[in-house]
Amino acid sequence: GAVVSQHPSWVICKSGTSVKIECRSLDFQATTMFWYRQFPKQSLMLMATSNEGSKATYEQGVEKDKFLINHASLTLSTLTVTSAHPEDSSFYICSASWSGGGPDTQYFGPGTRLTVL
Amino acid sequence: SQQGEEDPQALSIQEGENATMNCSYKTSINNLQWYRQNSGRGLVHLILIRSNEREKHSGRLRVTLDTSKKSSSLLITASRAADTASYFCATYSEKLTFGTGTRLTIIP
Repeated sequence: GAVVSQHPSWVICKSGTSVKIECRSLDFQATTMFWYRQFPKQSLMLMATSNEGSKATYEQGVEKDKFLINHASLTLSTLTVTSAHPEDSSFYICSASWSGGGPDTQYFGPGTRLTVL
Repeated sequence: SQQGEEDPQALSIQEGENATMNCSYKTSINNLQWYRQNSGRGLVHLILIRSNEREKHSGRLRVTLDTSKKSSSLLITASRAADTASYFCATYSEKLTFGTGTRLTIIP
């Protein structure tokens, strides 16, 4: 149980385009979803936290207009990288928690590798 | 800012040997968790130790936590080639904050 999927697993796009990444909880209702980014050989950095039906809370230094997060249902959150540039190339990982488990118990997706040319 | 600093950054050992990784952090925590990440893949949760616990075991894994020193260690006994991965500690206090990671290579 507690499976989180991400789609796509990898994407290559041209500079200036927007890319949408989906994060789905497959067998539980995710009251909270989290988005992280990871640069090569580095740690995961939390970008934002989103609760179903409300606006995402962004970490300091993360541009909310560039990284649009929508958590429209209890099983789906999307991250849209707008006007992507090569410096946005990274590994994006989502995680999800449910009300019974608490925010410290997160189930991670397999990640999406974004390459911006 | 980086909450957890892991030591060593990289570790190579022979299959069958034990691997020890350390994690230090700066602020008070509710719990500390260890994750494994295979190259280019997602995270696998290994073990969670609460702030009032000192040691925890799960299979070949042993985790210790010393809140007075703000440090934790992960011991993998009888290592296998399949243990080759990056290992991250993550502290939880309002949010999950990851350490810098240790890249473990098990040599067959």
